[in-house]
Amino acid sequence: NAGVTQTPKFRILKIGQSMTLQCTQDMNHNYMYWYRQDPGMGLKLIYYSVGAGITDKGEVPNGYNVSRSTTEDFPLRLELAAPSQTSVYFCASEGTGATTYEQYFGPGTRLTVT
Amino acid sequence: EDQVTQSPEALRLQEGESSSLNCSYTVSGLRGLFWYRQDPGKGPEFLFTLYSAGEEKEKERLKATLTKKESFLHITAPKPEDSATYLCAVLRTSGSRLTFGEGTQLTVNP
Repeated sequence: NAGVTQTPKFRILKIGQSMTLQCTQDMNHNYMYWYRQDPGMGLKLIYYSVGAGITDKGEVPNGYNVSRSTTEDFPLRLELAAPSQTSVYFCASEGTGATTYEQYFGPGTRLTVT
Repeated sequence: EDQVTQSPEALRLQEGESSSLNCSYTVSGLRGLFWYRQDPGKGPEFLFTLYSAGEEKEKERLKATLTKKESFLHITAPKPEDSATYLCAVLRTSGSRLTFGEGTQLTVNP
């Protein structure tokens, strides 16, 4: 199993541009999350999904959108990028049963907006 | 609002020098407290879940403990490969998302 994969690994955007961060998991997990991590800070939840077709806002959703059309994929869309969105973005998925609440993270996407 | 405070922000140890990391939390009803390890340039890796005061979990040189107000991550005889940032997070009983602390950056010198 590849676990949670994210693309791209790095990206530089200009102010006002848009992009989609891709996230795929192959563990058949229903729960998926998007976090951002600023330097020296903890993780802040942007959006999450409890299953295909169901998404909800987290702590810092402004400037982002998500969709969940399949169990495997949970893309994050940035519209009109701003310097405040410069951060490292992590996608995570969560299992059920014995692994409930254990989140598995992808390697991250480092985004710079200039 | 749920709050998680980790201390110290950074800790330097010599190989073999045992110590503890602290995670203080404020939450209205704790469902679980979680410890993650994060290596530079990588995503966090799950270590432990603690559910109730008095519970302890161990993994190699790491032991996590939980009280009603805080959790400790004890590191016994650390090795350089234990160097990482350790993150603590809480999940409230009525909640659906984790609240993370800012982490403790641990460096173990050979």
